[in-house]
Amino acid sequence: GIQVEQSPPDLILQEGANSTLRCNFSDSVNNLQWFHQNPWGQLINLFYIPSGTKQNGRLSATTVATERYSLLYISSSQTTDSGVYFCAGQGAQKLVFGQGTRLTINP
Amino acid sequence: DSGVTQTPKHLITATGQRVTLRCSPRSGDLSVYWYQQSLDQGLQFLIQYYNGEERAKGNILERFSAQQFPDLHSELNLSSLELGDSALYFCASSVGQSGNTIYFGEGSWLTVV
Repeated sequence: GIQVEQSPPDLILQEGANSTLRCNFSDSVNNLQWFHQNPWGQLINLFYIPSGTKQNGRLSATTVATERYSLLYISSSQTTDSGVYFCAGQGAQKLVFGQGTRLTINP
Repeated sequence: DSGVTQTPKHLITATGQRVTLRCSPRSGDLSVYWYQQSLDQGLQFLIQYYNGEERAKGNILERFSAQQFPDLHSELNLSSLELGDSALYFCASSVGQSGNTIYFGEGSWLTVV
């Protein structure tokens, strides 16, 4: 079945710092997505990234499908970046989530 | 706003009762997914429908059922509710069955007392 593992589980940073979140996934994953769950519970899709690199403002993501991992980079962190970041892998149908990385950005 | 609409946003009900959660997918999306998020279990996949037909099933309890209607909206029925069913229930949608960006609604907070 699909397996998705994220690291680190928790990350506490000062405003302005950069961070890298990692997601390892199993062979049965065909595509990979990154989500941000804000403190109000909303799940926002950040990237659909089965392979390659994408950038959106201060966020970027890279998936190396051949090595079964993806990285999410957050630069110049802001307090509004706080929340839980999930990666999720999809096989034939269902999208399976990792356990998340809880990011806390302190002012 | 993701375009996925879920109702109700909050619901408090007693053990043993039955509730129905409703989801309207983004315009043009044919797939609907249901997820349960509780504190100790993370985001758990329940079930997926595509154009009215069940496509994938996760760890959905027998007390739970879902369906997708011809107008593509979906309902998740939870019956014989237990305290442990208290959770945030998400609906999500995508254009196809797989290989597309998936968008989530704001969720329905269910509290069973």
